[in-house]
Amino acid sequence: DTGVSQNPRHKITKRGQNVTFRCDPISEHNRLYWYRQTLGQGPEFLTYFQNEAQLEKSRLLSDRFSAERPKGSFSTLEIQRTEQGDSAMYLCASSSGQGGDSETQYFGPGTRLLVL
Amino acid sequence: QKEVEQNSGPLSVPEGAIASLNCTYSDRGSQSFFWYRQYSGKSPELIMFIYSNGDKEDGRFTAQLNKASQYVSLLIRDSQPSDSATYLCAASGYSTLTFGKGTMLLVSP
Repeated sequence: DTGVSQNPRHKITKRGQNVTFRCDPISEHNRLYWYRQTLGQGPEFLTYFQNEAQLEKSRLLSDRFSAERPKGSFSTLEIQRTEQGDSAMYLCASSSGQGGDSETQYFGPGTRLLVL
Repeated sequence: QKEVEQNSGPLSVPEGAIASLNCTYSDRGSQSFFWYRQYSGKSPELIMFIYSNGDKEDGRFTAQLNKASQYVSLLIRDSQPSDSATYLCAASGYSTLTFGKGTMLLVSP
């Protein structure tokens, strides 16, 4: 069990550029979640997948954000035309998908984005 | 709007003392509750979860849940300087987690 991995760990970009982050969940975990966390705040839910299906998206996920999980394994989160307000830690989590609404989510190390 | 409220702290306790962290939630439909620990610059790390009213113990940690009062707490016994971190309370509902802002705990040697 290698845990949730995320790449890159850090990303610095200029306003207006596109960025893409990758998340590899714990092996055989069916559910994958994306959260965003800014300084002094708790993680805020963005979206989640059950296998390859994107089942829920937060209102926080503007049209500039898109997430995919094409084969039900790893996922990517893309931000187009980045803005300074996008600067945050982007966290990925996974869970087994067997425990209904009450199952435990395990977080990856996060990708820290800084938009200049 | 689902909300989870925590005192931001910092909560300061001496080494060896009991630290008590509290959390309230607004959505009565929340079924389970999680405590995560987050060191500065790191990602959240699961400490424990609780589903049923009452107490649940795991080593030095005890989670308490009172659904009637919509209140969750975490007790840390024999606090150590390495416990100094931000503690996040989260409530689950419809497969997602709603987090509080976290309480910063400082354990002094």
